[in-house]
Amino acid sequence: DTGVSQDPRHKITKRGQNVTFRCDPISEHNRLYWYRQTLGQGPEFLTYFQNEAQLEKSRLLSDRFSAERPKGSFSTLEIQRTEQGDSAMYLCASSSHRDSNEKLFFGSGTQLSVL
Amino acid sequence: DAKTTQPNSMESNEEEPVHLPCNHSTISGTDYIHWYRQLPSQGPEYVIHGLTSNVNNRMASLAIAEDRKSSTLILHRATLRDAAVYYCILLINFGNEKLTFGTGTRLTIIP
Repeated sequence: DTGVSQDPRHKITKRGQNVTFRCDPISEHNRLYWYRQTLGQGPEFLTYFQNEAQLEKSRLLSDRFSAERPKGSFSTLEIQRTEQGDSAMYLCASSSHRDSNEKLFFGSGTQLSVL
Repeated sequence: DAKTTQPNSMESNEEEPVHLPCNHSTISGTDYIHWYRQLPSQGPEYVIHGLTSNVNNRMASLAIAEDRKSSTLILHRATLRDAAVYYCILLINFGNEKLTFGTGTRLTIIP
């Protein structure tokens, strides 16, 4: 069990640029979640996949945000035309539908800074 | 989602027990009580969960009030590594693990 892996750990970009983050969940986990966290706040839910299907999206996820999980394994989160307000930690988590505890396992996140 | 209320911060001495309270007066009968913690520069990690009965695991204990309107996370012997933000979250019957985090309690351990 290598845990949830996120890449990159840090990303600095200029306003207006596009960025893409990758998440590799625990291999047998079929559910994958994206969260966003700003300083001093708890993580906020963005979206969730079961296998390759995106089942729920928060209204926080504007049209500039898109997430995919093409083969039900890794996922990508893309932000187009970044804004300074997008600066945050982006967290990925996974869980197993077969686990009776249904607990989420989080990665260490990607810290995005938009200049 | 039912809401939880936690103190913003707490301090405890190293090697002493810590009791972290959580109020959830609007909890429904099918809501599970989950606790996660977030160490500095890390994503949250699961600590413990329960429904009605008190629960123990290797990390902590969870004491749930009889009316379920409050709960307490107990760290039996705090270490410096327990310094983190602790989140109390209500989750509906495992139907969807979409956790709704509040601002949590920032626990400081004093050496």
